[in-house]
Amino acid sequence: DSGVTQTPKHLITATGQRVTLRCSPRSGDLSVYWYQQSLDQGLQFLIQYYNGEERAKGNILERFSAQQFPDLHSELNLSSLELGDSALYFCASSAEGKSYNEQFFGPGTRLTVL
Amino acid sequence: QQQVKQSPQSLIVQKGGISIINCAYENTAFDYFPWYQQFPGKGPALLIAIRPDVSEKKEGRFTISFNKSAKQFSLHIMDSQPGDSATYFCAASKSRTGANNLFFGTGTRLTVIP
Repeated sequence: DSGVTQTPKHLITATGQRVTLRCSPRSGDLSVYWYQQSLDQGLQFLIQYYNGEERAKGNILERFSAQQFPDLHSELNLSSLELGDSALYFCASSAEGKSYNEQFFGPGTRLTVL
Repeated sequence: QQQVKQSPQSLIVQKGGISIINCAYENTAFDYFPWYQQFPGKGPALLIAIRPDVSEKKEGRFTISFNKSAKQFSLHIMDSQPGDSATYFCAASKSRTGANNLFFGTGTRLTVIP
């Protein structure tokens, strides 16, 4: 168990809908990262937050957005969903200091868009 | 554009044998190279990591070999066990930029035959 929690575990929705994925980082970790894992694209970085502020952006679509709250949990919002958004979405967290590169992944949310 | 190239895509090894997975990168700004292990339905789990100031790092049966001049690194699993059967991902990040998101290889599915 990495200490990173994600909810829900599974999500099934229809095209055009909007969903919110939630992540709680390990206790004390200030950085949260979101990754998407799909069969054709592999594991791809979406966005990083550090202590409530956006720090880096990857291949994140404009239909997707994220935020990190004062209690450090993070939410990834996916809107106007398309079939191609079906994937596993992982959240990871890391600490500061010497070990800040070590990212610990949650169990993921499997999104199915029908 | 795949920033980290990984091979082979799949690997079958006999129990007790050595599993070797290779990765290559182009961006010399990368300075942190972790390996992750992923079981079906689970999130990636950090296995072992190396920085380019050392050529080898060993943790139990897992060893990373790093060749900075060739921009290549590899994972060796000694005395492979059926429980090692999983998908392995190499990754790289630029830790000094503060935006230390991971760039992942495409993964290697390892099967260890009893």
